[in-house]
Amino acid sequence: AQTVTQSQPEMSVQEAETVTLSCTYDTSESNYYLFWYKQPPSRQMILVIRQEAYKQQNATENRFSVNFQKAAKSFSLKISDSQLGDTAMYFCAFSPSWGKLQFGAGTQVVVTP
Amino acid sequence: DAGVIQSPRHEVTEMGQEVTLRCKPISGHDYLFWYRQTMMRGLELLIYFNNNVPIDDSGMPEDRFSAKMPNASFSTLKIQPSEPRDSAVYFCASSFFAGEINEQFFGPGTRLTVL
Repeated sequence: AQTVTQSQPEMSVQEAETVTLSCTYDTSESNYYLFWYKQPPSRQMILVIRQEAYKQQNATENRFSVNFQKAAKSFSLKISDSQLGDTAMYFCAFSPSWGKLQFGAGTQVVVTP
Repeated sequence: DAGVIQSPRHEVTEMGQEVTLRCKPISGHDYLFWYRQTMMRGLELLIYFNNNVPIDDSGMPEDRFSAKMPNASFSTLKIQPSEPRDSAVYFCASSFFAGEINEQFFGPGTRLTVL
């Protein structure tokens, strides 16, 4: 069985600063997918970024980037130039090739002025 | 595209009553997922369908829960009888498989309160 661990319950960051969220996972699969989802107070789940395990290059989406370390089973999310609208719960998720999403417990990010 | 549609957005019911949650996936998507979110257990996958067929229902907590997908554009999650511990936000998500796993698009969720 796969597990996803997010060890930081809450992170606070000032506007324009950078914050990094950690995520580790455990799996015996060789091919899988990793995601970061954002859940603002509206509770809508929004995909932030995805990474395919077979790709060595780290994914980037505007101010969001990941550091994927396959051997270490680590998948951290970096938010650069933080904005007030980034305040949300962030979930790391793992998906094996057959499509099930396993979520971590989440990290609450609070961006302060 | 309207995205994944869920109804109702909020549901308050009394213990013992039947509850039916509804979901309309994005047109063209062949996977449909039902999740439950609680403070204690986080986000849990309850069941998922592929081409209207249930593939994995191992996350369904007990026999009081049932899910159906009679056609490609509609799915229901039913709880009968409901209990206070069923109070949670229930999400429906849909996706399509095009050679590799794609993003799951989530609906806005249904907040269920069982008194």
